[in-house]
Amino acid sequence: EAEVAQSPRYKITEKSQAVAFWCDPISGHATLYWYRQILGQGPELLVQFQDESVVDDSQLPKDRFSAERLKGVDSTLKIQPAELGDSAMYLCASSASGGPYEQYFGPGTRLTVT
Amino acid sequence: GNSVTQMEGPVTLSEEAFLTINCTYTATGYPSLFWYVQYPGEGLQLLLKATKADDKGSNKGFEATYRKETTSFHLEKGSVQVSDSAVYFCALSLSGSARQLTFGSGTQLTVLP
Repeated sequence: EAEVAQSPRYKITEKSQAVAFWCDPISGHATLYWYRQILGQGPELLVQFQDESVVDDSQLPKDRFSAERLKGVDSTLKIQPAELGDSAMYLCASSASGGPYEQYFGPGTRLTVT
Repeated sequence: GNSVTQMEGPVTLSEEAFLTINCTYTATGYPSLFWYVQYPGEGLQLLLKATKADDKGSNKGFEATYRKETTSFHLEKGSVQVSDSAVYFCALSLSGSARQLTFGSGTQLTVLP
């Protein structure tokens, strides 16, 4: 069964350092989402791509976060500089362009900023 | 705006007990509704969904019915197992190009043998 791949699974970084996460969606899925999940809460959308274009990045803290999906396949989310409050699980999801629009999630990257 | 409210946890049940996790929503328009499950240290897995009023989603013994009149999508299971211990998230998405998910805060379920 096809899955969304994410790496790394765990990342520990110091405050003010740069960190990057990678996501490879299910083959053929045109829509890709990055969510942030703070411990004890539900995921919140950071950015959504349709192919290589950003559909919604209204909740992305653009002063320190950036995301790209250059060839419309895999995607990278970067934080620079990392802050203590960025400690969270970063989840990637993908969905097909046609219905029924279910989103399939990867295992996530657990980020700890010290 | 759009929002999802779930009953607060944690919920602790004995094996074979009946489960209900309440979920209500507020949305501009007619959303699709979902239940996702998250096992420790893992990402979210789609458990079931319903795309229009009165639809019943079901999977692995879990059920939820889309109730437009009460804006609810309560999750039920007749007999829980230890392996059902996880965090359950109710979510909605609206039609259109975005279709992003809006999640509730999650309900931690622990089933004791």
